[in-house]
Amino acid sequence: EPEVTQTPSHQVTQMGQEVILRCVPISNHLYFYWYRQILGQKVEFLVSFYNNEISEKSEIFDDQFSVERPDGSNFTLKIRSTKLEDSAMYFCASSVPRGDEQYFGPGTRLTVT
Amino acid sequence: AQTVTQSQPEMSVQEAETVTLSCTYDTSESDYYLFWYKQPPSRQMILVIRQEAYKQQNATENRFSVNFQKAAKSFSLKISDSQLGDAAMYFCASQPGGGADGLTFGKGTHLIIQP
Repeated sequence: EPEVTQTPSHQVTQMGQEVILRCVPISNHLYFYWYRQILGQKVEFLVSFYNNEISEKSEIFDDQFSVERPDGSNFTLKIRSTKLEDSAMYFCASSVPRGDEQYFGPGTRLTVT
Repeated sequence: AQTVTQSQPEMSVQEAETVTLSCTYDTSESDYYLFWYKQPPSRQMILVIRQEAYKQQNATENRFSVNFQKAAKSFSLKISDSQLGDAAMYFCASQPGGGADGLTFGKGTHLIIQP
């Protein structure tokens, strides 16, 4: 069964450093998403991506964040200058049409020290 | 904007019994979707069940069913014949029907299965 993959599974970085989280969505999916989950809290929407551009973004998704689909398979989330409060699990998801099941990747645990 | 409220931080049920997890939501959209996701200790998000708001019939997936009350904006999840593998965090979520908005999640209910 096709699945969403994410790398790395765990990333440790120092405050102020740039990080890139990578995702490979399911190949025939059209909508791509990033979410984050701070430990012990709910999952929060960051951004959605469709037709090679950002479709929607939340208040969390400020200028420190950017997304890119550099080729036909990868979907990346970049955090330019990490802060301690960016420590969280970051999930990538994809779906075929909107409203359909979003398939989640296993997540990348980001630890900012 | 959408909001999702799960008022039960934790629920406990005996194995083989039935449990109902509550969820209420608020939305100004006329077209939207509702979901229940399960998050086991591995933290993988797994879809349990999905409901299209325009459908009156409650969704069912094997031992999982929902009670969708549109007027009351309520979307509860019933798990029948609870199994040890059902132990997890359960998140209720909503999504508008138009555009590509992400899911709005509730805070989750931690479900404990007593053997």
